[in-house]
Amino acid sequence: DAGVTQSPTHLIKTRGQQVTLRCSPKSGHDTVSWYQQALGQGPQFIFQYYEEEERQRGNFPDRFSGHQFPNYSSELNVNALLLGDSALYLCASSWAGAHGYTFGSGTRLTVV
Amino acid sequence: EDQVTQSPEALRLQEGESSSLNCSYTVSGLRGLFWYRQDPGKGPEFLFTLYSAGEEKEKERLKATLTKKESFLHITAPKPEDSATYLCAVQVTTDSWGKLQFGAGTQVVVTP
Repeated sequence: DAGVTQSPTHLIKTRGQQVTLRCSPKSGHDTVSWYQQALGQGPQFIFQYYEEEERQRGNFPDRFSGHQFPNYSSELNVNALLLGDSALYLCASSWAGAHGYTFGSGTRLTVV
Repeated sequence: EDQVTQSPEALRLQEGESSSLNCSYTVSGLRGLFWYRQDPGKGPEFLFTLYSAGEEKEKERLKATLTKKESFLHITAPKPEDSATYLCAVQVTTDSWGKLQFGAGTQVVVTP
């Protein structure tokens, strides 16, 4: 049973560019959440997708956007990258009726 | 505003030297408190969920407890493979969609 799969594992982008990160949830899960984790900090909630709709959003600017597809997979898009966007981006999936989350291994984004 | 604070920030233990990690929380209403383990460059790995004061859960050398204001993660006779960052997170009753709010984590190093 595959867990949460994220791609790519590492990415280097230049300031001002745009990036797309991808996530496939654990089998049986229908809800996908994205988190940003800066070095030495705990993960910070970006947004959550359920039934292809963004149903909750954290304190992140509109440069951060997402999408969920009919197969429950999800993308995180970040426009106009800033140096401060360098972080580990984590995808977590869950089933709508459950409380717990399963996390992927993350995508390490470096903005230079 | 909901807050989660973990202490200490870092902990260095000798193999076999038991210790405890603290997670104090100030929330409007607690739905659940989660403990995760995170290895460098990896996503958080689920350990425990606690729902009510007085609840305890155990897994191998780890034991988590919960009071109305804080949670402890006790590590008994740790081994080098217990070295990791331990994250605490809460879900609150005022949030219908159950996002996780994390503390900054405690980095544990166990030396032989």
